[in-house]
Amino acid sequence: GEDVEQSLFLSVREGDSSVINCTYTDSSSTYLYWYKQEPGAGLQLLTYIFSNMDMKQDQRLTVLLNKKDKHLSLRIADTQTGDSAIYFCADGEAGSYQLTFGKGTKLSVIP
Amino acid sequence: DARVTQTPRHKVTEMGQEVTMRCQPILGHNTVFWYRQTMMQGLELLAYFRNRAPLDDSGMPKDRFSAEMPDATLATLKIQPSEPRDSAVYFCASGLSGAIYNEQFFGPGTRLTVL
Repeated sequence: GEDVEQSLFLSVREGDSSVINCTYTDSSSTYLYWYKQEPGAGLQLLTYIFSNMDMKQDQRLTVLLNKKDKHLSLRIADTQTGDSAIYFCADGEAGSYQLTFGKGTKLSVIP
Repeated sequence: DARVTQTPRHKVTEMGQEVTMRCQPILGHNTVFWYRQTMMQGLELLAYFRNRAPLDDSGMPKDRFSAEMPDATLATLKIQPSEPRDSAVYFCASGLSGAIYNEQFFGPGTRLTVL
């Protein structure tokens, strides 16, 4: 079945860049997503990338997609304490309503 | 400000009791998802609906869990009888089928503790 893997923890210093990595197995993924979950809250879509793109930039966020290796990454520039959260990678297939989520990477930002 | 609402936000109950969780999807959304989040398993899809019809509930323990959509503005997840291993945060999410990308909008969750 489909699987999405990501490391569970990442710790960075405030002001540094954070890079969260994800691998997926479903070659028919159409869109890949990054969701953010703040403490005590539900998940919120942070950004997404279409599978025929290899990069997407949105302010401090850069998403890189290596479709050949089925590898997705999220880079957060100038990481702030407010970026401390759990980040979920997810993939979805065109025509399917379901998303397959990874287990989430807990980002801790040290002041 | 359209958002998914869930009630109750917290529930503490004793083993064997019935638990009902409610979700109001965003008005106009026609897909609804129920997820369970635990430290060990992460986020698990329990069931999802499109146009109020259940499309997949294979992630749900059938003997004790049931999910319904009595109308387009209400989704329910019921556990009867509840067990301590059901302790988790239960999320409801809604979306719009046919959208270019499948964004799911999550509610704040119901934190369930079964003693």
